[in-house]
Amino acid sequence: QKEVEQNSGPLSVPEGAIASLNCTYSDRGSQSFFWYRQYSGKSPELIMFIYSNGDKEDGRFTAQLNKASQYVSLLIRDSQPSDSATYLCAVNKNTPLVFGKGTRLSVIA
Amino acid sequence: KAGVTQTPRYLIKTRGQQVTLSCSPISGHRSVSWYQQTPGQGLQFLFEYFSETQRNKGNFPGRFSGRQFSNSRSEMNVSTLELGDSALYLCASSLVRGPYEQYFGPGTRLTVT
Repeated sequence: QKEVEQNSGPLSVPEGAIASLNCTYSDRGSQSFFWYRQYSGKSPELIMFIYSNGDKEDGRFTAQLNKASQYVSLLIRDSQPSDSATYLCAVNKNTPLVFGKGTRLSVIA
Repeated sequence: KAGVTQTPRYLIKTRGQQVTLSCSPISGHRSVSWYQQTPGQGLQFLFEYFSETQRNKGNFPGRFSGRQFSNSRSEMNVSTLELGDSALYLCASSLVRGPYEQYFGPGTRLTVT
């Protein structure tokens, strides 16, 4: 079983819609959860992190964590074409971070 | 505040050669981690350094090595390059060790011919 799993996509959403990205992890003892955005040819950029069960909002982004079900999700409201990128989920128990392979998001204007 | 910097940004080497990549973390950050990113394998952890000591190592052969200096700058070295070493090498820094946010540099694109 892969440690961190993400649907590779592409996930296509129309401009203005909500994009929902999901990630599951296998290590029940995982403590910290991160979402990175990576544009083609660029390095990953940290956009959200969450440590506790529930929701965490930052602007158009909401991270949701459910430790009992071992999943973490990222919602992007009012999706824009500039949100088109690969979104990487990363999970941490101690160190190091374990990354999923990412979900490619395409926002259609 | 300046971000993580990596040099060089691009590198072309031939098989059998060795290469050294450099990473300067965000000012005040003491932990530096290195990752290899390829289209097939995604982001894979190489090693982590904190206080000049390697704290964790990923599942890579001994040809991959690294070090950290007293100013937290880090270098990684790959000896006897193979074609499969072609990848984007990313350095990430965090304030301290542990489950904290890591910030990536722009990466070094290594091509082995």
